[in-house]
Amino acid sequence: TQLLEQSPQFLSIQEGENLTVYCNSSSVFSSLQWYRQEPGEGPVLLVTVVTGGEVKKLKRLTFQFGDARKDSSLHITAAQPGDTGLYLCAGIFLNTGNQFYFGTGTSLTVIP
Amino acid sequence: DAGVIQSPRHEVTEMGQEVTLRCKPISGHNSLFWYRQTMMRGLELLIYFNNNVPIDDSGMPEDRFSAKMPNASFSTLKIQPSEPRDSAVYFCASSLSQGPSGNTIYFGEGSWLTVV
Repeated sequence: TQLLEQSPQFLSIQEGENLTVYCNSSSVFSSLQWYRQEPGEGPVLLVTVVTGGEVKKLKRLTFQFGDARKDSSLHITAAQPGDTGLYLCAGIFLNTGNQFYFGTGTSLTVIP
Repeated sequence: DAGVIQSPRHEVTEMGQEVTLRCKPISGHNSLFWYRQTMMRGLELLIYFNNNVPIDDSGMPEDRFSAKMPNASFSTLKIQPSEPRDSAVYFCASSLSQGPSGNTIYFGEGSWLTVV
């Protein structure tokens, strides 16, 4: 059983379209992170959200942490082929000593 | 600064052989993680060390897997004996615990293991 479920699992869209990826859990996290992984490489951190309801923007990417700190979303505006990759959310429990739990992942393909 | 360094980058071995994966975390980081990634199961946490001490090894699949961290700059993940179902990408990662907004986990490039 995965602690963090992501949806959709796979997403293929045309360049210029918008999309939203969801990360859901029944657990409350101290913070939540989003990573992107490209083929043949390890995941790379995009953003960390800490406060319930927090919204952060990174160029065309908008990240939101749920009010109850159990879920998060990633919205990409006007997707580009360079956005292609595996997007992973990761929840952090600080009371168990800096443990990271990764979501099931969303594989995004942006078609030129 | 050098990132997390893993070796070997690729390994193909026969079923029953011992496999040792190595990791050098980023200097100064106090947490080290071993993950396994497959298409079917995604990224799974195998074991987590804090200050060289194993904190949570509940993700280690079975007794065939073992991990050590003899010092702050080196860790190994060993599989003995290896089985075809162990084929996966094994990632080592490290972080410096700095509170809720300061933790970033840095991944190595992974060790691609194929057991035939």
